[in-house]
Amino acid sequence: NAGVTQTPKFRVLKTGQSMTLLCAQDMNHEYMYWYRQDPGMGLRLIHYSVGEGTTAKGEVPDGYNVSRLKKQNFLLGLESAAPSQTSVYFCASSYRANSPLHFGNGTRLTVT
Amino acid sequence: RKEVEQDPGPFNVPEGATVAFNCTYSNSASQSFFWYRQDCRKEPKLLMSVYSSGNEDGRFTAQLNRASQYISLLIRDSKLSDSATYLCVVIQGGGADGLTFGKGTHLIIQP
Repeated sequence: NAGVTQTPKFRVLKTGQSMTLLCAQDMNHEYMYWYRQDPGMGLRLIHYSVGEGTTAKGEVPDGYNVSRLKKQNFLLGLESAAPSQTSVYFCASSYRANSPLHFGNGTRLTVT
Repeated sequence: RKEVEQDPGPFNVPEGATVAFNCTYSNSASQSFFWYRQDCRKEPKLLMSVYSSGNEDGRFTAQLNRASQYISLLIRDSKLSDSATYLCVVIQGGGADGLTFGKGTHLIIQP
């Protein structure tokens, strides 16, 4: 049972480049989330989804887009990367809104 | 405004000691509570849920104090491997954005 899988694990981008982070879960969870974690800031919610075909903005959505075309996948896109988006990105999923989250291993992104 | 507060530490504790730390929350309507553990450069992992009656899992005890609006985590007979950052999570119900993480308490167990 893989749980939550994120790809890639590491990535270096130049300012202005775009990329997509992929999150896949095999637990049949309805809810999926994208967080970023920066030193001293804790985990901040970027976007989330409460089911296939739905997405919603979190605390820090600017500069990111998401899609949930299939229940098991939640994609995070950076259209034009900026150095301020250098961070560790975590995907998570949960069975329902008040259930504990299960996290992927994270993606370390550096934007130069 | 959602607020979940934790003492960032670090808490430096000798091996074998008992250590406890709290997490306070501001929304009295909060419904679900969890403790997570995060090792350096790793993802957060669920340590335990926090129930109204309190719960224990081996050396770990979690308690909820609704009147004073805090949850606590107590670690007995601490091990070197307990060194990590401990995050509390408070869920206020409603939508998926009702979940708030504390910024974590850094625990260092010293030999």
